[in-house]
Amino acid sequence: EAGVAQSPRYKIIEKRQSVAFWCNPISGHATLYWYQQILGQGPKLLIQFQNNGVVDDSQLPKDRFSAERLKGVDSTLKIQPAKLEDSAVYLCASSSQGSQPQHFGDGTRLSIL
Amino acid sequence: QKEVEQNSGPLSVPEGAIASLNCTYSDRGSQSFFWYRQYSGKSPELIMSIYSNGDKEDGRFTAQLNKASQYVSLLIRDSQPSDSATYLCAVNEGAQKLVFGQGTRLTINP
Repeated sequence: EAGVAQSPRYKIIEKRQSVAFWCNPISGHATLYWYQQILGQGPKLLIQFQNNGVVDDSQLPKDRFSAERLKGVDSTLKIQPAKLEDSAVYLCASSSQGSQPQHFGDGTRLSIL
Repeated sequence: QKEVEQNSGPLSVPEGAIASLNCTYSDRGSQSFFWYRQYSGKSPELIMSIYSNGDKEDGRFTAQLNKASQYVSLLIRDSQPSDSATYLCAVNEGAQKLVFGQGTRLTINP
């Protein structure tokens, strides 16, 4: 079974620029999550999709972050404009349903200069 | 948001000994509990899940859950240097959301 795919693996941008991350979940997994993990901390949920609908985006900074999952499969997370405090690893995870264990992709390490 | 608390460590354990990792949570309604292992620079990897009070064993790993005390732990027997990693406790909040602790950094000394 192929795992969760994410790209790019690394990204370096300057503050105020924009950036986008892509995620393809495990085949058949209806629930998709985007997390932000700052160094030394646990992952923090940014947004959760069930198929192509948003279940929880309460911790997504909506003035600069956006995410979509148009066809209920792959998803993109965008930051515009980026701030220095957005430097983190952005993890995508998926599960067959919300109560089941989540499986993570390799993440995108974002550095803001 | 409900809280999940872990001692950040580092926890240092000699090779061959038992490593004990602890986690407390604030949401009394939580029903699902998970332990993830995260190597430096890598993504979290699920190693154990537990849903009912008591112990659950899988190889060298044992998860323990006490809902009355809102406490979940992970024991690693016969610790190996390859067990050196950060261990994340995750607890469900509501039907579908997971809340993660900050992780405990474990070092196994040869």
